[in-house]
Amino acid sequence: IAGITQAPTSQILAAGRRMTLRCTQDMRHNAMYWYRQDLGLGLRLIHYSNTAGTTGKGEVPDGYSVSRANTDDFPLTLASAVPSQTSVYFCASSDGLWSGYTFGSGTRLTVV
Amino acid sequence: GNSVTQMEGPVTLSEEAFLTINCTYTATGYPSLFWYVQYPGEGLQLLLKATKADDKGSNKGFEATYRKETTSFHLEKGSVQVSDSAVYFCALSPFDGSSNTGKLIFGQGTTLQVKP
Repeated sequence: IAGITQAPTSQILAAGRRMTLRCTQDMRHNAMYWYRQDLGLGLRLIHYSNTAGTTGKGEVPDGYSVSRANTDDFPLTLASAVPSQTSVYFCASSDGLWSGYTFGSGTRLTVV
Repeated sequence: GNSVTQMEGPVTLSEEAFLTINCTYTATGYPSLFWYVQYPGEGLQLLLKATKADDKGSNKGFEATYRKETTSFHLEKGSVQVSDSAVYFCALSPFDGSSNTGKLIFGQGTTLQVKP
């Protein structure tokens, strides 16, 4: 089934630990995005990539890094997790200007 | 800057009632507008979209018209069902005619609860 796969589904992480959230798409979309969803704040863009080999910062990039070595994969890394990074993280991809996004099912991360 | 404002929820309706969820936006240039729906425990799904002024997006009985004069994109449905209970997000994709990052800017979401 074509779409976006995120892993893990959920994770409890000790503060200060490093964590990589995985995102893989099989639609050959050029653009990929990472959002975090927090109650009352909607979705906020963390990082994005318009094409393989390029990345950019979104609205809330601090404490996160990404890489885009190929078209399909777009991992998000928390170098040293803090409790304020407790959130639901969504990966998304897009094939063009007008088409909107395809979203993954999300990763629920709790930092304690 | 670009932003999206949605009516606060939760919105609670009885089955078969008429639904309106208000969405207004601030944007430079000519944005595309979207409505996404998120069912419990799932990711967001595209519900409908409109790419230019006066366009009407529609899907699954939901409609929204791109009103540039009022900078609005209100979501409507004539008769809601229990299965429509979800969180609805209005979003815009900025475009100034010469460049676009492809990024979506979301409103805060509106929770809809439909009771039998």
